[in-house]
Amino acid sequence: KAGVTQTPRYLIKTRGQQVTLSCSPISGHRSVSWYQQTPGQGLQFLFEYFSETQRNKGNFPGRFSGRQFSNSRSEMNVSTLELGDSALYLCASSLGATITYEQYFGPGTRLTVT
Amino acid sequence: EDQVTQSPEALRLQEGESSSLNCSYTVSGLRGLFWYRQDPGKGPEFLFTLYSAGEEKEKERLKATLTKKESFLHITAPKPEDSATYLCAVQATGNQFYFGTGTSLTVIP
Repeated sequence: KAGVTQTPRYLIKTRGQQVTLSCSPISGHRSVSWYQQTPGQGLQFLFEYFSETQRNKGNFPGRFSGRQFSNSRSEMNVSTLELGDSALYLCASSLGATITYEQYFGPGTRLTVT
Repeated sequence: EDQVTQSPEALRLQEGESSSLNCSYTVSGLRGLFWYRQDPGKGPEFLFTLYSAGEEKEKERLKATLTKKESFLHITAPKPEDSATYLCAVQATGNQFYFGTGTSLTVIP
């Protein structure tokens, strides 16, 4: 069974630009969560989508947004990029209706903002 | 404030030298505690979920235990391939996940 895939793997953007990251979950998984990972803060929860609806949201500014499509694929958008947005963005998928199901992570998208 | 603290930050072990990693948490209602392994350049890999105090789970050389305020990941007779960063995460009643900053484990042959 194919794992979680994320595209692109690496991205370099300039301050003020916007970026869209994509995540394809494991087949059959309906929940997709997004995380930001930085050396200083570790993994921080951004938001979770289930059946095209945002079910849960972390403490990030409104510049961070996401959506989920009917095939469970998800996108995350960051507008007006700041230097501090440089991080590894991880997507995780899980099987069922409750987020306590095991989460399987993708390899991440490394975003560098210059 | 909900938070997860892992210790030590880094651990170097000789091959075969058993040890434990600690994850202490303060959250408003625990729904689950999760352990992950992360190798450089990769996403975290799921290891265990624990739901209630007293619960234990094992996988090969790893054993995870849970009390009301902390969890331990015991590594028995580690091998070099066990070298990785081990992450602990807690899910609170609000469904948010809180991750610790991890323990970087190095096993020396």
